Amino acid sequence: DAKTTQPNSMESNEEEPVHLPCNHSTISGTDYIHWYRQLPSQGPEYVIHGLTSNVNNRMASLAIAEDRKSSTLILHRATLRDAAVYYCILRRRWGNQFYFGTGTSLTVIP
Amino acid sequence: GAVVSQHPSWVICKSGTSVKIECRSLDFQATTMFWYRQFPKQSLMLMATSNEGSKATYEQGVEKDKFLINHASLTLSTLTVTSAHPEDSSFYICSANVGRGNEKLFFGSGTQLSVL
Repeated sequence: DAKTTQPNSMESNEEEPVHLPCNHSTISGTDYIHWYRQLPSQGPEYVIHGLTSNVNNRMASLAIAEDRKSSTLILHRATLRDAAVYYCILRRRWGNQFYFGTGTSLTVIP
Repeated sequence: GAVVSQHPSWVICKSGTSVKIECRSLDFQATTMFWYRQFPKQSLMLMATSNEGSKATYEQGVEKDKFLINHASLTLSTLTVTSAHPEDSSFYICSANVGRGNEKLFFGSGTQLSVL
């Protein structure tokens, strides 16, 4: 499966937007880009996913580069509850498994 | 959204005993479930893929005789850690697909296993 690269950690001030980057230069045409987040001592939680077009939902937005070799998860207004580890994962369209990378630990500063 | 219930939340056991962890899909049928383990400060590592009515598929390096997976129904998968040792102490998490294809995963809340 194609690999993703994310910064180990990022900080954001509360109520400001956060842009979490993910590089996936070896992505294939059938790979979907998924984002999950994990709070301490909990299972991961789905955030958003997309294939080619930018996606929006109530939690976040996903901006996908035109060449699909990178993507950015956008939290429009960070809150303290958004402090978590965010994982960017590629999933083969006809496959099944999710392989987690190292993720980005987001700290939100009050 | 779909709910995946995992039980127990935490368990402490003596070395050499076996521990069973249950993962249930409460409001949907899960033909496929996944089991992960996570050590402190590390990412999730996929252990195995569990398909209803068939044998689980284990990732490379995961001992299938050590980690027994049973997926007897569309709503229940179990992971049994046999003859547990302190190095098996970890956070175990299950997840399930709602439907076929490239659907999102729903995760259980995890089980913290401590082997004394």
